Amino acid sequence: DAGVIQSPRHEVTEMGQEVTLRCKPISGHNSLFWYRQTMMRGLELLIYFNNNVPIDDSGMPEDRFSAKMPNASFSTLKIQPSEPRDSAVYFCASRLMAREAFFGQGTRLTVV
Amino acid sequence: DQQVKQNSPSLSVQEGRISILNCDYTNSMFDYFLWYKKYPAEGPTFLISISSIKDKNEDGRFTVFLNKSAKHLSLHIVPSQPGDSAVYFCAANPPGAGSYQLTFGKGTKLSVIP
Repeated sequence: DAGVIQSPRHEVTEMGQEVTLRCKPISGHNSLFWYRQTMMRGLELLIYFNNNVPIDDSGMPEDRFSAKMPNASFSTLKIQPSEPRDSAVYFCASRLMAREAFFGQGTRLTVV
Repeated sequence: DQQVKQNSPSLSVQEGRISILNCDYTNSMFDYFLWYKKYPAEGPTFLISISSIKDKNEDGRFTVFLNKSAKHLSLHIVPSQPGDSAVYFCAANPPGAGSYQLTFGKGTKLSVIP
């Protein structure tokens, strides 16, 4: 398996634009996580899906953020409208039951 | 409120010596703990884990110790190598069927000096 695949690796966008981050989890994994890494907060959990169902979205900062998992092999994190303070590295991770989680390479988002 | 805390943002160690990274947690119900290593521009990679029913787990140069009464775990790297220079994250898993959410600390940047 190629591991967790995220796209794009880098995204630069202007304030106010919509941004969509994509994730393909490892096949067979039943949990998917979106994390955001910043200097201030470290690795911050945004939302967590189990069997494609959102379980905990309490980490989603604002209504501008939304996430979907239409099937077991794909998830998106959307920011609309984007703001400069959203600039960070966004990671997707997947996990099988209570085993270790595997992370993607991340998407570095810069909002100017 | 941070449930998993890594109070040392950085640590420098000479090559060949022992590196000790520390992690404290507040939720006594956590039942599974993991350490991840992260290089710049890469995602975190799993390093080693420990269940709450154990107090030690060893894998080559890496050993994790768990002190449940103190709600403290530590990662020992012996001997330290320059390639170990990275950010290390501690993570904890809550108990309960279907609870697969991982809570991470803020990380400790380890620098191993040749």
